[in-house]
Amino acid sequence: EPEVTQTPSHQVTQMGQEVILRCVPISNHLYFYWYRQILGQKVEFLVSFYNNEISEKSEIFDDQFSVERPDGSNFTLKIRSTKLEDSAMYFCATTQEARTYEQYFGPGTRLTVT
Amino acid sequence: AQKVTQAQTEISVVEKEDVTLDCVYETRDTTYYLFWYKQPPSGELVFLIRRNSFDEQNEISGRYSWNFQKSTSSFNFTITASQVVDSAVYFCALSEGGGSYIPTFGRGTSLIVHP
Repeated sequence: EPEVTQTPSHQVTQMGQEVILRCVPISNHLYFYWYRQILGQKVEFLVSFYNNEISEKSEIFDDQFSVERPDGSNFTLKIRSTKLEDSAMYFCATTQEARTYEQYFGPGTRLTVT
Repeated sequence: AQKVTQAQTEISVVEKEDVTLDCVYETRDTTYYLFWYKQPPSGELVFLIRRNSFDEQNEISGRYSWNFQKSTSSFNFTITASQVVDSAVYFCALSEGGGSYIPTFGRGTSLIVHP
């Protein structure tokens, strides 16, 4: 069964450093999402992306975050200058169509900012 | 605005006990989907079920069952004869059809099953 993959599984970084989290969507999926889960809390939507543009973003997704699809396969989330409060699990999800409930989640990247 | 409430923060049971995880939702849409996800200690989100607002039929899948009641805006999840491997955090989520289809998650219920 096709699946969404994410790398790395765990990233440790120092405060102020830039990190890039990577997601490889299911091959025929065109819509991509990032979610964040701070330890012990609920999963929260960050951003959705289609056709090389952000479709929707939450108030969490501020100027320190950016997304892109640099090479037609990977979908990345960049955090420019990490803060301690960015420590969380980051999930990528993808869908084949827009406005569908059928989101497929990746296994997540655990980001630890020290 | 949509909202999902999982009032039970943590539930602890002994193996073979039945356990019900509660989920209450709020939405103004008539078309919506409800979900349950399992998050084991390894951290990934495992999809368990999706139910649309027009289908109130209860569902059973092995030891898992779901009770959807629109009258009380609830979508409860029962595990029968719980096992240690059921220990995880369980999330209920809601997507509105008239909105962006982005799911809103509840805060999760941590289920601990003791041997």
